[in-house]
Amino acid sequence: KNEVEQSPQNLTAQEGEFITINCSYSVGISALHWLQQHPGGGIVSLFMLSSGKKKHGRLIATINIQEKHSSLHITASHPRDSAVYICAATLYNTDKLIFGTGTRLQVFP
Amino acid sequence: NAGVTQTPKFRVLKTGQSMTLLCAQDMNHEYMYWYRQDPGMGLRLIHYSVGEGTTAKGEVPDGYNVSRLKKQNFLLGLESAAPSQTSVYFCASSYPVTGYNTEAFFGQGTRLTVV
Repeated sequence: KNEVEQSPQNLTAQEGEFITINCSYSVGISALHWLQQHPGGGIVSLFMLSSGKKKHGRLIATINIQEKHSSLHITASHPRDSAVYICAATLYNTDKLIFGTGTRLQVFP
Repeated sequence: NAGVTQTPKFRVLKTGQSMTLLCAQDMNHEYMYWYRQDPGMGLRLIHYSVGEGTTAKGEVPDGYNVSRLKKQNFLLGLESAAPSQTSVYFCASSYPVTGYNTEAFFGQGTRLTVV
């Protein structure tokens, strides 16, 4: 069992739909990261959070420390949101990241 | 700012050949990392460095060597490439501040094929 698990692995949506990607972790962490990877492209950091909720445009990330769970929400999804979204956790008292396997999102017009 | 730059972006090697991947960052970050990304798996840490002149092994270090002679550069070497090293390689950097975590900045990746 991976220490960082994401669900679903694959997700398709129609433009405009509200999307949720989930991440659960089983280790002590000091921060949780959401990353975006476009096909053939590099990896971009979307959020880093250690509690509560963060919002950037149509993207919202939440974390529940007690339940060891984080979610990434995309409101009013658009085809340009199509990418792989990766959850990663910074191990407590270290600067090491453990990565989930990613969620491949495809948004169709 | 260029951020994190990796060279080359693509490379095909024959088994047994050697090569060096270069990672350069212009953000004055202390920490730098090399990861590999394989289908169906999360990124895995190969080696990392917490400062100029220091390196340490990550999760999958075998078959790779690294050097951090200058703070802005982190080199990943393959002395004798094997097909199992076919992967996409990502470099990342971050600047840890005591008591806080900082986000990691990633390069564009290097797609390496070993035939």
